[in-house]
Amino acid sequence: GQQVMQIPQYQHVQEGEDFTTYCNSSTTLSNIQWYKQRPGGHPVFLIQLVKSGEVKKQKRLTFQFGEAKKNSSLHITATQTTDVGTYFCAGPPGTYKYIFGTGTRLKVLA
Amino acid sequence: NAGVTQTPKFQVLKTGQSMTLQCAQDMNHEYMSWYRQDPGMGLRLIHYSVGAGITDQGEVPNGYNVSRSTTEDFPLRLLSAAPSQTSVYFCASSSGTGTSGTDTQYFGPGTRLTVL
Repeated sequence: GQQVMQIPQYQHVQEGEDFTTYCNSSTTLSNIQWYKQRPGGHPVFLIQLVKSGEVKKQKRLTFQFGEAKKNSSLHITATQTTDVGTYFCAGPPGTYKYIFGTGTRLKVLA
Repeated sequence: NAGVTQTPKFQVLKTGQSMTLQCAQDMNHEYMSWYRQDPGMGLRLIHYSVGAGITDQGEVPNGYNVSRSTTEDFPLRLLSAAPSQTSVYFCASSSGTGTSGTDTQYFGPGTRLTVL
């Protein structure tokens, strides 16, 4: 069945370093969403990408959707301790049924 | 506007017991869903609904039932709890359908369930 893998699984960075997580789907996605989950918390929506090749920025976060709509990335510039958490991508292969990625857990060392 | 609410926050069950996890939203969203999240894992879709009276299965539906009698409420029933159902359960709602440009999913705070 549909699989969405994320790499890396874990990432430890020094505060101020950059961070990137990659999301790869086994099938084409109609759109892709990114969520952040703080330890002990619930997923919080960050952004949705719909168009092939789309790039969106939110302050220090840059999101990309691949040309084939099967992969995506999230890049954080100059990480801060507030960026700690697990980042998930999610996408529907069709309608309604969202498949979540395996997640990348980010730790930022001050 | 409370968003998505879930009760209870914590629950301990014995094997074989049944219970209902409650989920409600006040955003008039048609789409609601239930996910489970196991330690260190992503979220897996259990059941979803696209409106009152309409439900369908997700990735891992076995052992769970749902119903949607109103737009606001989407309870999840565990029929006969098993240790493998120990997990954190999240309810979510969305105004979109999965292919539109307005598919923000709002998650509830979760229910932490332990089955002994």
